[in-house]
Amino acid sequence: GAVVSQHPSWVICKSGTSVKIECRSLDFQATTMFWYRQFPKQSLMLMATSNEGSKATYEQGVEKDKFLINHASLTLSTLTVTSAHPEDSSFYICSAKKTGGVGYTFGSGTRLTVV
Amino acid sequence: ELKVEQNPLFLSMQEGKNYTIYCNYSTTSDRLYWYRQDPGKSLESLFVLLSNGAVKQEGRLMASLDTKARLSTLHITAAVHDLSATYFCAVDERADKIIFGKGTRLHILP
Repeated sequence: GAVVSQHPSWVICKSGTSVKIECRSLDFQATTMFWYRQFPKQSLMLMATSNEGSKATYEQGVEKDKFLINHASLTLSTLTVTSAHPEDSSFYICSAKKTGGVGYTFGSGTRLTVV
Repeated sequence: ELKVEQNPLFLSMQEGKNYTIYCNYSTTSDRLYWYRQDPGKSLESLFVLLSNGAVKQEGRLMASLDTKARLSTLHITAAVHDLSATYFCAVDERADKIIFGKGTRLHILP
């Protein structure tokens, strides 16, 4: 149990375009989901906390207008990177916490390359 | 603000040896997680430690938590090459998000 599906697993896009990444909890409901970014050989940096039915909470230094988060249901959160630039190239990972549960389940990650 | 420090950040060791990775954190928390990450992959959950004195073991890995010292350890016994990976500890901040350490890149020489 506790599976999180993340799509796409990799994407290449042109500068200036937008990319949407989906994170789904397949067998549980997740009131809260989290989005991380990981640069090569670095740790995971929390970007934002996504709460179902309400606005996301962004970490300091993360541009909310650039990284749009939508958590419209208890099983789906999306991250849209708008007007992507090469410096946005990174590994993006989502995680979900089962409502009322302990522990966090991570998606398989999305490698974004902006050219 | 919660800070999580891991050491060492890089560890190269021979197969068959024992070693310990340390994870210190700065504020009160009684939930600590250990994850493994292989290159190009996402995180694999190894251990969830939920109380002071918790000890969990899986194969050659054993994790413990001392909430009073704000310290967790991940002990590797008789290392094998397959354990080569990056290991992260993460601490639950107010039970609503987790903060990661910088990770320990473990390289086990055959």
